[in-house]
Amino acid sequence: GAGVSQSPRYKVAKRGQDVALRCDPISGHVSLFWYQQALGQGPEFLTYFQNEAQLDKSGLPSDRFFAERPEGSVSTLKIQRTQQEDSAVYLCASSLGTDSYEQYFGPGTRLTVT
Amino acid sequence: AQSVSQHNHHVILSEAASLELGCNYSYGGTVNLFWYVQYPGQHLQLLLKYFSGDPLVKGIKGFEAEFIKSKFSFNLRKPSVQWSDTAEYFCAAKGANAGKSTFGDGTTLTVKP
Repeated sequence: GAGVSQSPRYKVAKRGQDVALRCDPISGHVSLFWYQQALGQGPEFLTYFQNEAQLDKSGLPSDRFFAERPEGSVSTLKIQRTQQEDSAVYLCASSLGTDSYEQYFGPGTRLTVT
Repeated sequence: AQSVSQHNHHVILSEAASLELGCNYSYGGTVNLFWYVQYPGQHLQLLLKYFSGDPLVKGIKGFEAEFIKSKFSFNLRKPSVQWSDTAEYFCAAKGANAGKSTFGDGTTLTVKP
């Protein structure tokens, strides 16, 4: 079966541009997570969904970051008016649930803001 | 606040040497613990996990980890490393009923052939 996929794999944006990052979770996985990984650091939690409900968005760094999962499957992370500090790898993960289930990670999208 | 700290930023070993990577966590309540590995050019993969029960857990590729509650530790071990174990290793923790995971900053392991 297919794993978690993310697109695009690489994105270069000029400062001030809006970007949209897509995540396709494993089929049947209820929970979906977004993380931001800066160079030399571990992934940092951004937000997570259970089906279409966004249950925790405490990690979103500013109101320029927005995530959605309208049909409880594919998710999009949108960053408005990108800044240089947004440059990072954005990881998506999915799991069967949140209670004692492991998360399966996608390959990530490397965003570079110039 | 939840936190995970990994003691070593970069570890260099020769093949057949024994490995122990330190991980300490700070979390209130029941905790789930994980070790992930990221091989060069690949995405994060789960090595092993602890949810409950036997505190000594065994994972893939001969790795194991021991949950010591009194020390808030979950150290990763392997008795004899191989060149193919060269990778970055991340320790992570999450509440048993929570969504978000908290990761350490990772340890880069280089195994010399």
